Amino acid sequence: NAGVTQTPKFRILKIGQSMTLQCTQDMNHNYMYWYRQDPGMGLKLIYYSVGAGITDKGEVPNGYNVSRSTTEDFPLRLELAAPSQTSVYFCASSYSDPSYEQYFGPGTRLTVT
Amino acid sequence: GQQVMQIPQYQHVQEGEDFTTYCNSSTTLSNIQWYKQRPGGHPVFLIQLVKSGEVKKQKRLTFQFGEAKKNSSLHITATQTTDVGTYFCAAPPGDYKLSFGAGTTVTVRA
Repeated sequence: NAGVTQTPKFRILKIGQSMTLQCTQDMNHNYMYWYRQDPGMGLKLIYYSVGAGITDKGEVPNGYNVSRSTTEDFPLRLELAAPSQTSVYFCASSYSDPSYEQYFGPGTRLTVT
Repeated sequence: GQQVMQIPQYQHVQEGEDFTTYCNSSTTLSNIQWYKQRPGGHPVFLIQLVKSGEVKKQKRLTFQFGEAKKNSSLHITATQTTDVGTYFCAAPPGDYKLSFGAGTTVTVRA
């Protein structure tokens, strides 16, 4: 099993550009999450999904959108990138509710200039 | 929503010494998880505590869940350079997600 994979690893965007961060898991997990981590800070939840077709907002959803058309994939869309979105983005998955451990992908380091 | 507070934010340890990091909540927690993130890496699950007063050990790491289930601690004995990283506690705020603490970043002086 590859676990949770994320692409790209690094990306530089100009202000106002858009992009999609890809996340795929091969563990048949129902729950998937997107976090951002700013330097020296903890993890802030952007969006999460409890199954295909079901998504909900986390703590910091503004400027982002998600979709979950399959169990495996949970892409994160950034529209009109802003410098405040410069961060490291982690995708995670878990088998079920938060009583189960989360498995994290390697992260995408995004810079908006 | 529920938040978990971690202290200290930074811990500078001499190799071979012990240290403890703490995680506190104002509300009762159903469970608490601990994760470790190496520099430049991603968080990796270490352990979950569920029962009041629960103590679990992983080699030199000892995890405790408070009797009131409002706090938890991670104690590392005989710190090694491999212990470098950031340790996060995380707890579910009652629905479908985890709330992560800000983390304790550990550096080790050889």
